Amino acid sequence: NAGVTQTPKFQVLKTGQSMTLQCAQDMNHNSMYWYRQDPGMGLRLIYYSASEGTTDKGEVPNGYNVSRLNKREFSLRLESAAPSQTSVYFCASSLSSYEQYFGPGTRLTVT
Amino acid sequence: KNEVEQSPQNLTAQEGEFITINCSYSVGISALHWLQQHPGGGIVSLFMLSSGKKKHGRLIATINIQEKHSSLHITASHPRDSAVYICAVPGNSGGSNYKLTFGKGTLLTVNP
Repeated sequence: NAGVTQTPKFQVLKTGQSMTLQCAQDMNHNSMYWYRQDPGMGLRLIYYSASEGTTDKGEVPNGYNVSRLNKREFSLRLESAAPSQTSVYFCASSLSSYEQYFGPGTRLTVT
Repeated sequence: KNEVEQSPQNLTAQEGEFITINCSYSVGISALHWLQQHPGGGIVSLFMLSSGKKKHGRLIATINIQEKHSSLHITASHPRDSAVYICAVPGNSGGSNYKLTFGKGTLLTVNP
């Protein structure tokens, strides 16, 4: 079992560029999440998907879109990257609302 | 919105010491999570608890729902326990575990 995988691990974007962060899990979890982690701020929820076919906003959704492609995959898209989106992004999954399993993270820099 | 406070922010200990990390929150909850983030960045869920105490190896988590407080204890600490420990709770009163609010973490360093 690979658990939760994320691609890419690192990315540098210029302001205004777009990109999609990919996340997949092989644990048959029905819930998936996207977080960002900034120094001194703690983890903050961007979007989550409680089950396949549903997505909901978290604490900081502005500037992001998500797609729950199927039960395994949950992608996060930045349509027009801004320097304020420089962060480390974590994907996580869980069986319903129980313990969450985290991916290794994507370190994104927007210049 | 649930506010989460962790203390201390930083903790340095000698190998073998008993460690306590505290977490307080402002709004009643259904369950509380403790997570560990290693220096490399990986995040691991340690406990999810809604009452009493849970134990896993040298780690013990307790929660007092009435006092809105939880503690994470590490017995016989070891340098490999060096990490950031993070507490998380549902973001709103009666809120689901889907929308968690996270503390800023406690950086633990255990010296040999």
